[in-house]
Amino acid sequence: GQNIDQPTEMTATEGAIVQINCTYQTSGFNGLFWYQQHAGEAPTFLSYNVLDGLEEKGRFSSFLSRSKGYSYLLLKELQMKDSASYLCAVLDSNYQLIWGAGTKLIIKP
Amino acid sequence: EADIYQTPRYLVIGTGKKITLECSQTMGHDKMYWYQQDPGMELHLIHYSYGVNSTEKGDLSSESTVSRIRTEHFPLTLESARPSHTSQYLCASSEYGDNSPLHFGNGTRLTVT
Repeated sequence: GQNIDQPTEMTATEGAIVQINCTYQTSGFNGLFWYQQHAGEAPTFLSYNVLDGLEEKGRFSSFLSRSKGYSYLLLKELQMKDSASYLCAVLDSNYQLIWGAGTKLIIKP
Repeated sequence: EADIYQTPRYLVIGTGKKITLECSQTMGHDKMYWYQQDPGMELHLIHYSYGVNSTEKGDLSSESTVSRIRTEHFPLTLESARPSHTSQYLCASSEYGDNSPLHFGNGTRLTVT
């Protein structure tokens, strides 16, 4: 079967750096997405990786290793507003999105 | 400013009722989706559409139907609501490319008593 694994919950301190990991086993791979979802709100798109390496976008970066079935989202200079759930999703060989259960990130002052 | 709108935001109904959840988008996107999301769980695809008069079933489609008569409108109907349908329903849209990101509405929180 197809599977996406993410930690359920992480805690970090304001101003620090946090890395949220995502590992996947899917039938084929056509790209990996990260979304942010604040409590009670809609998920919003953060990043898309299809080639190996690091994509940087301001305070957020996303890394992909296709050979290892592994991605991470790196958040720098954490702010209280970064408290949210972070969803990892993989496009499989049929271009269907397979979703992880999300990582709830708690930022403490 | 939301470009994809869902109504109602919250709904409480009794078992056996027929309900329609509304979703409209103003971005001209061809692809639209309905997902179900429970707390701490992954999103499950219910239905999707690649354009007008195109609808496909996802993983959880057996108890609901959709229609796509206009590009901007993609309503979801539950013919007979059950307590197991209690959940958050998210509508999304995207441009036609396979790697286009999804734009989500704010969701409908449905409770079936």
